[in-house]
Amino acid sequence: GQSLEQPSEVTAVEGAIVQINCTYQTSGFYGLSWYQQHDGGAPTFLSYNALDGLEETGRFSSFLSRSDSYGYLLLQELQMKDSASYFCAVKTRDNAGNMLTFGGGTRLMVKP
Amino acid sequence: KAGVTQTPRYLIKTRGQQVTLSCSPISGHRSVSWYQQTPGQGLQFLFEYFSETQRNKGNFPGRFSGRQFSNSRSEMNVSTLELGDSALYLCASRGYSNEKLFFGSGTQLSVL
Repeated sequence: GQSLEQPSEVTAVEGAIVQINCTYQTSGFYGLSWYQQHDGGAPTFLSYNALDGLEETGRFSSFLSRSDSYGYLLLQELQMKDSASYFCAVKTRDNAGNMLTFGGGTRLMVKP
Repeated sequence: KAGVTQTPRYLIKTRGQQVTLSCSPISGHRSVSWYQQTPGQGLQFLFEYFSETQRNKGNFPGRFSGRQFSNSRSEMNVSTLELGDSALYLCASRGYSNEKLFFGSGTQLSVL
């Protein structure tokens, strides 16, 4: 089976930088995604990494190291609206097809 | 473009009943997947449909079933409801060869 580990909660102040880590144990790994979910809202896609390295999209960056089975989401210049839950998800493929397995989520609280 | 639409938004059922949830994907998206979200459990993959065929299934009992119609709309059915089935059920669609999932707002199911 697949397993993902990410911290349950992170707190940071407005304007700061925060890194949310995700480690995984899986077979048939294809890539790592990140999703943001505000309370009462739907998850929204942030990024997808299939290759090692850093992908930057505005204030958000995502990193993947396939050899270490590790990735992280980096949020810069934190804003109050970044308070949300962040989920990493691994895409895997087996004989049955593709599957996306989500981590338990990290609740980020941004304080003024 | 309209987003992913899920109906109903809220549902209250009693143990032993069955329930059907509906999901209309973004126009042109042929892949629809379903997830169960409970506090502390993250998002658990239920199944994925593509062109009316189930491509993969998560680790859920046979009481959970689904189908997809020729217009890509999908339904999920849960029979013989149990208290533990109380959760937010999320549907997501994606385009072909696209890693980005678009989620609906979900159906909040309460089993009493």
